[in-house]
Amino acid sequence: EIVLTQSPGSLSLSPGEGATLSCRASQSLPTRYLAWYQQKPGQAPRLLIDGVSRRAADIPDRFSGSGSGTDFTLNIDRLEPEDSAVYFCHQYGSSPTFGQGTKLEI
Amino acid sequence: QVHLVESGGGVVQPGGSLTLSCAGTGFTFSRHAFHWFRQAPGKGLEWVAVISDDANSKYYGDSLQGRITISRDNSKNTVHLQLNSLRREDTARYFCARAYTVFGVATDYWGQGTLVTVSS
Repeated sequence: EIVLTQSPGSLSLSPGEGATLSCRASQSLPTRYLAWYQQKPGQAPRLLIDGVSRRAADIPDRFSGSGSGTDFTLNIDRLEPEDSAVYFCHQYGSSPTFGQGTKLEI
Repeated sequence: QVHLVESGGGVVQPGGSLTLSCAGTGFTFSRHAFHWFRQAPGKGLEWVAVISDDANSKYYGDSLQGRITISRDNSKNTVHLQLNSLRREDTARYFCARAYTVFGVATDYWGQGTLVTVSS
């Protein structure tokens, strides 16, 4: 099983700042099967990024993903109050797993 | 508009069974694979199972292996997850989500989930 470890566990930033969320895999992902989701309290996860860096439909370009091998990053520019949420990374290979999440407070 | 709605959750005693359903609207249901995930209170997400568009392929996560069955009815646009021999640690919100294939494509739409509580 591929274990995904996210850091930091929580983050508190001000509107207009930028956020960098990290996701480290326990082994190299041979394919680009890495996604990021946003989850707000009481809501379903929302797909932000798949294929490491491809934004999902209707996701603003303030959100960007990057990385390869075992290290992946979600960047959120020009933070807005509605970006407050928990962000999960997710590898969707043959035995899907999730990171434990980063709680972002704006 | 894509919409997924889970149902069937509730309170069940340890050792009991439950069948969850997920109804999809606003898209061609039979063209998609469906996953079930779960999230225990205050915890992260865990993959539970997946079924292919034609129901010929089914895969299960380790934690519920042998105690669950995933199925679908494309004529009714629904996917089901039968949970058996439930344990307290199975208490979680269960989500269904669609994808274009069983693996290798991220799930793009999720339902709001249905809560399963295992308690005596």
